[in-house]
Amino acid sequence: GAGVSQSPSNKVTEKGKDVELRCDPISGHTALYWYRQSLGQGLEFLIYFQGNSAPDKSGLPSDRFSAERTGGSVSTLTIQRTQQEDSAVYLCASSLASGQGLVYGYTFGSGTRLTVV
Amino acid sequence: TQLLEQSPQFLSIQEGENLTVYCNSSSVFSSLQWYRQEPGEGPVLLVTVVTGGEVKKLKRLTFQFGDARKDSSLHITAAQPGDTGLYLCAGPRGGSYIPTFGRGTSLIVHP
Repeated sequence: GAGVSQSPSNKVTEKGKDVELRCDPISGHTALYWYRQSLGQGLEFLIYFQGNSAPDKSGLPSDRFSAERTGGSVSTLTIQRTQQEDSAVYLCASSLASGQGLVYGYTFGSGTRLTVV
Repeated sequence: TQLLEQSPQFLSIQEGENLTVYCNSSSVFSSLQWYRQEPGEGPVLLVTVVTGGEVKKLKRLTFQFGDARKDSSLHITAAQPGDTGLYLCAGPRGGSYIPTFGRGTSLIVHP
């Protein structure tokens, strides 16, 4: 696609429910990143994919968070047993290759605003 | 952990004023990037600086990378309401390919 697409754009869920957030990166971009942005905070790194593998998942806050990427394209971030502190905007970004982003930048989606009530 | 500290956190100015925002770290970065984020959208790349002392201009925006590659500044001349947004700096963390972001400067330009 022309840009990074994220869905849903907004999600309201009840505490304790599971949610899935989807990211469709730019076609041909092999590197994919998930970030979380809370009000007044910067972007908190969650996980990075190169192709279908995740060399760095050090930012995942707990074992309730997991992510996968299939076919070197679409990625899904899953949050199990959601808590109120999970409320945030979840952003996905992609770059042509791992090192390319440092030169040409990262293309972000518009994010999924997650609200846990 | 390489931290990027941005200042000021908030800035509210009138159209036509000049301003400078800062991005500082105690660590050396091989490169730094500046992004602008508008409400409801993801950050959009403005510039990448890679050489110590480098100055880049993008219309009314001037970006500078410190000589020691530990800091950067963004200067906006004659600010316009369209410049309103969150300005974020980012650099590769720990020599990896993963960018770490500062908390940003939230700029509001009043007509």
